[in-house]
Amino acid sequence: DSGVTQTPKHLITATGQRVTLRCSPRSGDLSVYWYQQSLDQGLQFLIQYYNGEERAKGNILERFSAQQFPDLHSELNLSSLELGDSALYFCASSVARRGGRDTGELFFGEGSRLTVL
Amino acid sequence: GESVGLHLPTLSVQEGDNSIINCAYSNSASDYFIWYKQESGKGPQFIIDIRSNMDKRQGQRVTVLLNKTVKHLSLQIAATQPGDSAVYFCALNNAGNMLTFGGGTRLMVKP
Repeated sequence: DSGVTQTPKHLITATGQRVTLRCSPRSGDLSVYWYQQSLDQGLQFLIQYYNGEERAKGNILERFSAQQFPDLHSELNLSSLELGDSALYFCASSVARRGGRDTGELFFGEGSRLTVL
Repeated sequence: GESVGLHLPTLSVQEGDNSIINCAYSNSASDYFIWYKQESGKGPQFIIDIRSNMDKRQGQRVTVLLNKTVKHLSLQIAATQPGDSAVYFCALNNAGNMLTFGGGTRLMVKP
């Protein structure tokens, strides 16, 4: 158990719909990351938040957005869903030092599997 | 931009043998490398990391070798066990923790 909790574990929805994925990081971790894992694209970094603020952005579509709340949990919002958005969405957390170089040791949740029909 | 690739998509080994999983990278400026293991139905799990000022680092039954000259990274697992069956990813750590993952190698351990 990594200590990172993601809900829901499975989600089936239709094209054009909107969903919200939720992540609770490990206790004490200030940084939250979102990754997308699909068969054809592998693990792709989407976005990182540190203590409530966006810190880094990867290949995240404009239809997707995220935020980190004061209690450090994070939500990933996916809207106008398309068939190609079907994937596993992972949240990870780390301690992430302020300034300097972070470690590569991220703690991943078990993912939310999104199926868009 | 950087790319990270793997030589073998699937590796099958006999229980008790040593396993070697390889990874090539393209960005010579990369200075931090990580190996992750992903078991079926789970998220990736950190195994070991190495910085570019080292060429070898050992953990429990695992060793990571880094050859910066040819931009190659390998993960060696000693005395492979059935519990080692998983997909293994190498990753580069860019600024912050924006990891660039390779495509993954599936390790299958035969009893």
